[in-house]
Amino acid sequence: AQKVTQAQTEISVVEKEDVTLDCVYETRDTTYYLFWYKQPPSGELVFLIRRNSFDEQNEISGRYSWNFQKSTSSFNFTITASQVVDSAVYFCALVLEGANNLFFGTGTRLTVIP
Amino acid sequence: EPEVTQTPSHQVTQMGQEVILRCVPISNHLYFYWYRQILGQKVEFLVSFYNNEISEKSEIFDDQFSVERPDGSNFTLKIRSTKLEDSAMYFCASKRVQETQYFGPGTRLLVL
Repeated sequence: AQKVTQAQTEISVVEKEDVTLDCVYETRDTTYYLFWYKQPPSGELVFLIRRNSFDEQNEISGRYSWNFQKSTSSFNFTITASQVVDSAVYFCALVLEGANNLFFGTGTRLTVIP
Repeated sequence: EPEVTQTPSHQVTQMGQEVILRCVPISNHLYFYWYRQILGQKVEFLVSFYNNEISEKSEIFDDQFSVERPDGSNFTLKIRSTKLEDSAMYFCASKRVQETQYFGPGTRLLVL
C-alpha cells in the first residue's frame, strides 16, 4: 500500500526565513511520481512540481527547491527567503506509474509572519 | 494557459437533495478525476474516468455517486441523495498522458 506522511502539521516562520517542509513516502513499486501542491487560503490546488522515481536530481525554481532522496524515501521542499504570499497548506502526493489516484499527505500549514 | 474550471464555486443544499457538480477539463486532456477534501483534512481520491467509462473508484464512491461526460467538454459528478457527511470541497482534475494532474478551483458543497 502507498502512504505519504507529512509529519509537520503547522509551521510558522518570520518573513525572509528559510523553511523546509518534510515529506516521507512509502511504496513497494519502483516506478512512481511525487508531487507538491500548494493550497492557498482561496482553496484551489496549485501544482508546484513533479518528480519521477528515477530522477533524484534536486531542483530549484526561484525561491523553491526540492530534495528527493530515495534512500530515505523523502521528498522535501524548501522555501528560501519566505514571503507572506507563501502562506498556504502544502501537500505532498504520490502516484504509481500507470495508476489513477494520487495519494496525498495530510498537508503542512505554513504561516509566514510579516 | 489552459486550466480546469468548475461550477458552481459554492453550493448549499438540503440533506437528501441531488446535486450536480460541473467541471470543464483542459481541452486536450484524456483522463478525468474527482477528489474531495473534507474541511481541514487531506485530499481523497473518488473516481477516475477515461474513454467514457470509470477506470477506478475508491470506497467513498458508493452508489450515491455517479459521473458523466455528457458532451465533449463537461465532466460532472452527481450525488443522488446528499448526506451531511458529503459536505466537502470537491476538486476536479485532468491530465493528458503524462502523470501530472491539474486541478480545478474546487466546489465547496455544504449539506444542511
